Amino acid sequence: HLQESGPGLVKPAETLSLTCKVSGAALSSRSYYWGWIRQPPGKGLEWIGTIYYTGTTHYSRSLRSPVTISADTSGNQFSLQLSSVTAADTATYYCACAVKSFDTTGYSYTWYFDLWGRGTVVIVSS
Amino acid sequence: QPVLTQSSSASASLGSSVMLTCTLSSGHSNNIVAWHQQQPGKAPRYLMRIERSGTSIKGDGIPHRFSGSSSGADRYLTISNLQSEDEADYYCETWDSHTWVFGGGTKLAVL
Repeated sequence: HLQESGPGLVKPAETLSLTCKVSGAALSSRSYYWGWIRQPPGKGLEWIGTIYYTGTTHYSRSLRSPVTISADTSGNQFSLQLSSVTAADTATYYCACAVKSFDTTGYSYTWYFDLWGRGTVVIVSS
Repeated sequence: QPVLTQSSSASASLGSSVMLTCTLSSGHSNNIVAWHQQQPGKAPRYLMRIERSGTSIKGDGIPHRFSGSSSGADRYLTISNLQSEDEADYYCETWDSHTWVFGGGTKLAVL
């Protein structure tokens, strides 16, 4: 189970901060990547970034605002910070859990999101 | 980085079947693809993942009406015996070198 939380309204040029509380799985497990995905109103899904139990992060290169994802293993939660936001950052933000899967050859694998939070709406406006 | 191409919309009648397509860009035809369903006003839900061989692995509780297949760079999601609750947006997703990519989504209307 994943639950997002954070302010629903952020002023332009300020920092958007969201937290995802994880239950039923350990953030410190090597079996998962933990990620953030957003969806602007009426549009499709956009991957923002992910974090692994080692603290390694990967971010989308297409985001205009600087992004930081961090993890709090003792609290079993991870966070998203988006700096200097603009109206273009208005969206529903989802946290999600990615799992690893090998193909039938056993040589190739992928990671895909198999569990999503309910999402939280963030509006950037003064 | 791979690109996933989906038709923007599809429609089919109640009780019939529909096949949605997700096409991988050149050089990525071996990628495994995951499908997600997003009903109106709800969060996405993982349906299944499909590899090039056509082998698919469904998520927990996904009805048998949902099935997957593959041909070359195309990964298909077939929904049989369409129900009204299947009217939703469907997104495909893939991963490559620590980058996740989503297709633009297909809006499915059940007539």
